[in-house]
Amino acid sequence: GENVEQHPSTLSVQEGDSAVIKCTYSDSASNYFPWYKQELGKRPQLIIDIRSNVGEKKDQRIAVTLNKTAKHFSLHITETQPEDSAVYFCAARYRGGGADGLTFGKGTHLIIQP
Amino acid sequence: DTAVSQTPKYLVTQMGNDKSIKCEQNLGHDTMYWYKQDSKKFLKIMFSYNNKELIINETVPNRFSPKSPDKAHLNLHINSLELGDSAVYFCASSHVQGDEQFFGPGTRLTVL
Repeated sequence: GENVEQHPSTLSVQEGDSAVIKCTYSDSASNYFPWYKQELGKRPQLIIDIRSNVGEKKDQRIAVTLNKTAKHFSLHITETQPEDSAVYFCAARYRGGGADGLTFGKGTHLIIQP
Repeated sequence: DTAVSQTPKYLVTQMGNDKSIKCEQNLGHDTMYWYKQDSKKFLKIMFSYNNKELIINETVPNRFSPKSPDKAHLNLHINSLELGDSAVYFCASSHVQGDEQFFGPGTRLTVL
């Protein structure tokens, strides 16, 4: 099966600075890598995703990079704002005999200091 | 509203009881999932159904039994509840297996 490792578990940055969260995956057949943001007491919501045929994707202040050779992908948030405070999850799609699913990392609690 | 919905939002019950959580999606998706999120926020898949057929069944006690009456609904029944079952349970759906998933609001289950 797929194993996804996520680091760090907690990240505290000053407002306006950048934040980077890193994930590694084990299954070289994985081809889809989403990032979810979960605010306190709310549901996880997709913020950005990347597929294995591209190396980088950007959406305003958020970007994701993928290194298939090294089997790692990262989330970059620039010009952080207080509303970016949340738990962020990376995930990787695993393919198992007709039953595809997502394996999630253990989450990163991002704290934006004013 | 186009969404994934779950009921109830909160469930408080005694050990040994049986309870159900209901999930519905009106996104027209073929695949639905149940996830358990424990106190450390770890999101772990429990089950996945594709077009009413069970396709993923992770290592979950057989006290947990999912049922999909049609592809828009996936319910979770739990027998003989234990303290360790306390968690937030999320339903989700996706158009394609293992692709972008849309989560319901969650059901916070507390077993006393």
